[in-house]
Amino acid sequence: GAVVSQHPSRVICKSGTSVKIECRSLDFQATTMFWYRQFPKQSLMLMATSNEGSKATYEQGVEKDKFLINHASLTLSTLTVTSAHPEDSSFYICSARGDIPYEQYFGPGTRLTVT
Amino acid sequence: KNEVEQSPQNLTAQEGEFITINCSYSVGISALHWLQQHPGGGIVSLFMLSSGKKKHGRLIATINIQEKHSSLHITASHPRDSAVYICAVPLKYSGGGADGLTFGKGTHLIIQP
Repeated sequence: GAVVSQHPSRVICKSGTSVKIECRSLDFQATTMFWYRQFPKQSLMLMATSNEGSKATYEQGVEKDKFLINHASLTLSTLTVTSAHPEDSSFYICSARGDIPYEQYFGPGTRLTVT
Repeated sequence: KNEVEQSPQNLTAQEGEFITINCSYSVGISALHWLQQHPGGGIVSLFMLSSGKKKHGRLIATINIQEKHSSLHITASHPRDSAVYICAVPLKYSGGGADGLTFGKGTHLIIQP
């Protein structure tokens, strides 16, 4: 149980375009999902916390107008990178929290390359 | 905010050796996570623990809440254990369990045959 999927696993897009990444909890309901990113040779960093039915909470330094998060249902959160630039190229990972306190289940990640 | 320190950063060992990776954090936590990341990037959750010790196969994780320290051990290491091992704790301890994580820089482990 407790499987989280992400789609797509890899995406290459041109500078200036927008890219949407989906994060789904497949066999449980996730009231809270987290979005992280990892630049090459760096640690994972929390970008935002996504709560179903409410606005996401962004960490300091993360532009909310650039990284649009929508958590429209208990099984789906989406991250849209708007007007992507090469510096947005990164590995984006989501995690989802179920009913068990403190547990987080990670998705497989999405590698974004902006050319 | 919590800060995480991991050691060692890099570790190369021979197959069969006992491996220890250490993690220290700065602020009280609800739970600590040990994760494994392979070259492709995917994250596998190994352990989540809030006290004591957990064991899964050849992996053992311990935590000392008072000392704010955790260790991950691998017994009878094998080349397939080669990966990056990452320690993570809640970024901001709220006690509510819905906390995003902050991560250590990871330990790059290579097990040679």
